Amino acid sequence: DAMVIQNPRYQVTQFGKPVTLSCSQTLNHNVMYWYQQKSSQAPKLLFHYYDKDFNNEADTPDNFQSRRPNTSFCFLDIRSPGLGDAAMYLCATSRHKNPYEQYFGPGTRLTVT
Amino acid sequence: AQKITQTQPGMFVQEKEAVTLDCTYDTSDPSYGLFWYKQPSSGEMIFLIYQGSYDQQNATEGRYSLNFQKARKSANLVISASQLGDSAMYFCAMREGGAGNNRKLIWGLGTSLAVNP
Repeated sequence: DAMVIQNPRYQVTQFGKPVTLSCSQTLNHNVMYWYQQKSSQAPKLLFHYYDKDFNNEADTPDNFQSRRPNTSFCFLDIRSPGLGDAAMYLCATSRHKNPYEQYFGPGTRLTVT
Repeated sequence: AQKITQTQPGMFVQEKEAVTLDCTYDTSDPSYGLFWYKQPSSGEMIFLIYQGSYDQQNATEGRYSLNFQKARKSANLVISASQLGDSAMYFCAMREGGAGNNRKLIWGLGTSLAVNP
């Protein structure tokens, strides 16, 4: 089945130690998104790629970076995680055409110790 | 400014009964889309249903239907014949603009639904 895969499902990192979360998709969608979701809150968009075109949200901290080496894969790099970065990180994809419904992966729950 | 409001932080429903989750939106764009997502405790966000602003009919997907009242700017989700597996957080979201460039969703704060046996 076509799907969005995120690895790992659970990630523990130390304060200040760089961490990379990965997302892959078999849907062949043009657009890939990274969201941060904290407990009992709505997802917050960090950035998205339309093909290779990177779109950063204005309030996304510089500590968060992303790479998309090809259509199938997208990575979220947190250069120096702080305690406040502990959250669920959701990857999503959508087609380039309307209605842009987004298909989400299972998420990676990040703990910062 | 574009905004999604979900006024029910938590809802309870008896198994096999229908439940309505409220969503109101605010936008000045005549072209927009409305989405409902379900998020179980496992964390995955599951797409449920979509309504376009120019769609004449209310969207339906199985037990899910969207009560779209454009003049009132509401897009309530109706779940019929509730099941225990429907217990989850439900998010309403909106995308502005027609086919083209705007791919960003505006999200509500969510409604937590508990289905009682």
